[in-house]
Amino acid sequence: AQSVTQLGSHVSVSEGALVLLRCNYSSSVPPYLFWYVQYPNQGLQLLLKYTSAATLVKGINGFEAEFKKSETSFHLTKPSAHMSDAAEYFCAVSDLYTGANSKLTFGKGITLSVRP
Amino acid sequence: EAGVAQSPRYKIIEKRQSVAFWCNPISGHATLYWYQQILGQGPKLLIQFQNNGVVDDSQLPKDRFSAERLKGVDSTLKIQPAKLEDSAVYLCASSFSHYEQYFGPGTRLTVT
Repeated sequence: AQSVTQLGSHVSVSEGALVLLRCNYSSSVPPYLFWYVQYPNQGLQLLLKYTSAATLVKGINGFEAEFKKSETSFHLTKPSAHMSDAAEYFCAVSDLYTGANSKLTFGKGITLSVRP
Repeated sequence: EAGVAQSPRYKIIEKRQSVAFWCNPISGHATLYWYQQILGQGPKLLIQFQNNGVVDDSQLPKDRFSAERLKGVDSTLKIQPAKLEDSAVYLCASSFSHYEQYFGPGTRLTVT
């Protein structure tokens, strides 16, 4: 079974500050890992994905994440927060062996607030 | 390209009533998913279709929930009868390959 842990429910940063959203996973097989963003009253949008290639993954809107197998982590970072980054962020895991259309298991999400 | 379409966007019903949601995936996407997102939680997969066949429905409460995907394109998710705990956002997603799922805007269901 696979699971994702996103500690805390809310992160608040100042505009221009570093954004760090934590994600730890549990998987009995090599994982594929994803970060999604959800703006109010909208569906989820893929920010980036790790699919066993480079461990440092760059995504849209200046976000990146690093896969660390030894720490079972896939933390999301952005060097400088923008007001438009305020949203809910979900980490998700699927497994390598099920294939390209395997189901996702999501964490409970973290709400990011950006202060002016 | 057009995204995943869902309707209605909002629905309010009383408990024990029935309700249906509709999803139109991105053209050419063979895989379609229905997720339930309860407030404060991440989405939970209810059912996954590959074309018009069910791949995974292990978390679908089959005593009250049903879903179908006619002709491998559009899909409907039905709840009958609804319970208070069914209040949630129901998300539809579709995928073609490359491990990327494209999500629709969701239907927000409130059961009173």
